[in-house]
Amino acid sequence: GNSVTQMEGPVTLSEEAFLTINCTYTATGYPSLFWYVQYPGEGLQLLLKATKADDKGSNKGFEATYRKETTSFHLEKGSVQVSDSAVYFCALSSGGYQKVTFGTGTKLQVIP
Amino acid sequence: EAGVAQSPRYKIIEKRQSVAFWCNPISGHATLYWYQQILGQGPKLLIQFQNNGVVDDSQLPKDRFSAERLKGVDSTLKIQPAKLEDSAVYLCASSLPVGLFSGANVLTFGAGSRLTVL
Repeated sequence: GNSVTQMEGPVTLSEEAFLTINCTYTATGYPSLFWYVQYPGEGLQLLLKATKADDKGSNKGFEATYRKETTSFHLEKGSVQVSDSAVYFCALSSGGYQKVTFGTGTKLQVIP
Repeated sequence: EAGVAQSPRYKIIEKRQSVAFWCNPISGHATLYWYQQILGQGPKLLIQFQNNGVVDDSQLPKDRFSAERLKGVDSTLKIQPAKLEDSAVYLCASSLPVGLFSGANVLTFGAGSRLTVL
């Protein structure tokens, strides 16, 4: 079946540091890939997505590139802010009804 | 536009009792999902509806969990009887209709219903 593997957290960074959160996936066919974010006290929300190989999703300074050859979709940001502190979930959708499968989440804490 | 509404936000029950959660999706979203999120884990899909039909319930513990989506709009998830391991946040999400050629499936989530089973 489909699965998503994320690096374990928590990840603690100083403000303005570079962020990478690793994500790899296993899926049949050609999945779409996503990063969702859950800010403290809020619901899950879409951060960015990519639908085919070599696509780059981007939003709020975050980027991730769909790498089919390495089955990866790593999340990056050049300079994190305290407001980026949240839990980040990598996910994929595939199949006839586009079932969405999530990773376990990576908690990011940014300190001033 | 109004978001995905869920209630109650919090519920505490004793094991072997029953509980029900309600979800109202975004207007026009034909597809509705219930996920279970145990503390420290990612959301796990319990059931996916398209309109009022079930398209995936492979991970729903059918001996104790049930869900319905009458009239293809709002939905109820029930647990009876509850076990300690059912303590989790139950997330409802909705999306536009999905299919082989529908493109990337973007979910909009509600705030969740936190269940504690004592």
